[in-house]
Amino acid sequence: EVQMLESGGGLIQPGGSLRLSCAASGLTFSSSVMNWVRQAPGKGLEWVSSITPSDDNTYYADSVKGRFTISRDDSKNALYLQMNGLRAEDTALYYCVKHPWNLWGQGILVTVSS
Amino acid sequence: EIVLTQSPTTLSLSPGERATLSCRASQSVSKYLAWYQQKPGQAPRLLIYDASSRATGIPARFSGSGSGTDFTLTISSLEPEDFAVYYCQQRSNWPLTFGGGTRVEIK
Repeated sequence: EVQMLESGGGLIQPGGSLRLSCAASGLTFSSSVMNWVRQAPGKGLEWVSSITPSDDNTYYADSVKGRFTISRDDSKNALYLQMNGLRAEDTALYYCVKHPWNLWGQGILVTVSS
Repeated sequence: EIVLTQSPTTLSLSPGERATLSCRASQSVSKYLAWYQQKPGQAPRLLIYDASSRATGIPARFSGSGSGTDFTLTISSLEPEDFAVYYCQQRSNWPLTFGGGTRVEIK
């Protein structure tokens, strides 16, 4: 079965760090652009970051630039999002998404609160 | 940053009716516009990419049109399972952006 499964979310205090992981199975991962998208509770979709194959290029939303880092390990079929300096406004369900955007994980919740 | 404005915010229709959703971009995105459907508690599902190409497994009642700055998603005859929130997304320029969404609700 083709699927992607996010992990690593949870409750974190403002200023803290979390590392999200996305494990892909049943698909060829290494040749695909991979993406993170988030959705705050009751709100719309927000693109967060993308990474091209072989780490050639990374892209970030202005809202996370300098705080979040996207990376991948193609040998493990894994995508990561290192999140530092977390803020209350980063609270959201985080999805990993495989290009061409037709495969989404189920999402992992990150809650930033004291 | 390209801003996508979706209208209307909410569309109240009955099953069997035609739904017409609009997405307007603040600058040209050529054909690089996608549409997604999201139901409560579920991840978004890709419906349309490159403005008018249906994704795999998407019923023919869903169609997309437009180019440049004005795009439309049409659902020709609403089925009960089509009542959901719909988002457009541009993939023409970084940063990628989504519209604010249109909720299609049962009248």
